[in-house]
Amino acid sequence: DAGITQSPRHKVTETGTPVTLRCHQTENHRYMYWYRQDPGHGLRLIHYSYGVKDTDKGEVSDGYSVSRSKTEDFLLTLESATSSQTSVYFCAISPSGDTDTQYFGPGTRLTVL
Amino acid sequence: ELKVEQNPLFLSMQEGKNYTIYCNYSTTSDRLYWYRQDPGKSLESLFVLLSNGAVKQEGRLMASLDTKARLSTLHITAAVHDLSATYFCAVDKGGTASKLTFGTGTRLQVTL
Repeated sequence: DAGITQSPRHKVTETGTPVTLRCHQTENHRYMYWYRQDPGHGLRLIHYSYGVKDTDKGEVSDGYSVSRSKTEDFLLTLESATSSQTSVYFCAISPSGDTDTQYFGPGTRLTVL
Repeated sequence: ELKVEQNPLFLSMQEGKNYTIYCNYSTTSDRLYWYRQDPGKSLESLFVLLSNGAVKQEGRLMASLDTKARLSTLHITAAVHDLSATYFCAVDKGGTASKLTFGTGTRLQVTL
């Protein structure tokens, strides 16, 4: 299994509070991704990173920000959580941004009340 | 905007039967991936298809890609209960980084 951990694994928070999810990898892969999974939508890309301090938006980036100060860590922040951000969040990594498959972390279940 | 459609969305099949899951996508791409997800778990990579006519097989699963038709298929041969899971296809439209667009998934239930 690819060395990917996510923390926390479960979180319940209230509307309007900031939330940060962490993805940590031990594979030294260059590319890291954040997805959200919702029923009926499959997985949707939120943000991705192609190197330290290099990030870009995915298809559902509104309300989210990311940071990557080290190769191994990719943080996803919800500045002011809303109920529509209740979801399961997956981090993924890949060694290249070309044709390699992505390896997924265990996921974080976030509930915003 | 790239759209990826899978059908069927739900498939109940008996052990020993064969069936095919279809994945259609809307714009040109020659990079398609299949993943498996067990309930409450993460996604596991099954196949990487990178050219027109590509065919990959692993056990009772075989995946193929027709880039001209913008279609990939995941064929299940002689299904067994352990194959029960949700299967996703994902398409990469290329460019910087591998930005995947996923289908909504096919939930496969194999019954005795």
